[in-house]
Amino acid sequence: DAKTTQPNSMESNEEEPVHLPCNHSTISGTDYIHWYRQLPSQGPEYVIHGLTSNVNNRMASLAIAEDRKSSTLILHRATLRDAAVYYCILVVSSASKIIFGSGTRLSIRP
Amino acid sequence: GAVVSQHPSRVICKSGTSVKIECRSLDFQATTMFWYRQFPKQSLMLMATSNEGSKATYEQGVEKDKFLINHASLTLSTLTVTSAHPEDSSFYICSALGRSSTDTQYFGPGTRLTVL
Repeated sequence: DAKTTQPNSMESNEEEPVHLPCNHSTISGTDYIHWYRQLPSQGPEYVIHGLTSNVNNRMASLAIAEDRKSSTLILHRATLRDAAVYYCILVVSSASKIIFGSGTRLSIRP
Repeated sequence: GAVVSQHPSRVICKSGTSVKIECRSLDFQATTMFWYRQFPKQSLMLMATSNEGSKATYEQGVEKDKFLINHASLTLSTLTVTSAHPEDSSFYICSALGRSSTDTQYFGPGTRLTVL
């Protein structure tokens, strides 16, 4: 399985934008880039996904590098409720299963 | 949006007993469901893939006879931890695969199992 690399932890201030990076240098052409987040003592929550083009939804934006070897999850205005572990995952469509890495633990300062 | 529920949310049992955890997709049909376990401060570990009407596919190192999975309908999968021991205490999480080409998974809230 193609792997992703994320920083172990990041901190940001409330009401400021947050950019969470992810490297996936071994990504293949059919791998989708998915982001999930997990709040304490809860199951993961889908955030956003993309293939080649940048994506926006109500939760976040996903910026994908032109060579697809990296991507960035953007939270436009962080709130305290955004404190969670964020997972960047490559999903092979035919396999469907998700293998979680260690993710980035995001802390938000009030 | 797609909602997945788990029952129970917490369970405490004695060593040697069996515990069943249910995972339901509430507003969509899921031909494929997944079971994960998560120890404190660690990431989720995939245990098995459950397909409706067929046997589950277990990940390497996961005991099939220990963790029995049944996916009898398009909205229900169950995980039974047989003869539970304290080392089986963990956070068990299921997910269901939506019917789309992008393979988005929808996760349940998790079940905290404590074996005394």
